[in-house]
Amino acid sequence: GAVVSQHPSWVICKSGTSVKIECRSLDFQATTMFWYRQFPKQSLMLMATSNEGSKATYEQGVEKDKFLINHASLTLSTLTVTSAHPEDSSFYICSAQLAGGYEQYFGPGTRLTVT
Amino acid sequence: DAKTTQPPSMDCAEGRAANLPCNHSTISGNEYVYWYRQIHSQGPQYIIHGLKNNETNEMASLIITEDRKSSTLILPHATLRDTAVYYCIVRVNDYKLSFGAGTTVTVRA
Repeated sequence: GAVVSQHPSWVICKSGTSVKIECRSLDFQATTMFWYRQFPKQSLMLMATSNEGSKATYEQGVEKDKFLINHASLTLSTLTVTSAHPEDSSFYICSAQLAGGYEQYFGPGTRLTVT
Repeated sequence: DAKTTQPPSMDCAEGRAANLPCNHSTISGNEYVYWYRQIHSQGPQYIIHGLKNNETNEMASLIITEDRKSSTLILPHATLRDTAVYYCIVRVNDYKLSFGAGTTVTVRA
């Protein structure tokens, strides 16, 4: 149980285009989902927290207009990287927190490469 | 959230117990100790968490000192598939996780 999926698992896009990443909780409902970014040989950095039906809360230094987060249902959150640049190339990971619980379950990650 | 200190790396032999230390001397009374691990190029995996009592599940055991200033994650019989970065995190429940550098554990045959 407690499986989180991400789609796509990897994506290559051209500079200036937008990319959408989906995060789904497959067998549970998640009122809260989190988006992280991880650069090579570094730890995970929290980007934003999203609650179903409300606006996401972004961490300091993360541009909310560049990283659009939508959490439209209890099983789906999306992250859209707008006007992507090579420095946005990274490993993006989502996690979902069980409704009424405290453990976070992580997706497998999405490798984004911007050329 | 309180900060944690972990050794940057450690090796252990396959089939032996792996004991991973974590210091969290500034932990607050309502903060839990969580352990996650991340195998290369995958998302983190939840291992175990506890408040003050020792905990055990099918993956590992968590030993928390009486003063709660440190803890040890024990993998009872390490396998090659346990090679990963292990993160010790202290956190108030229902709050965000803050990942440090973790301990890179290499299990050797």
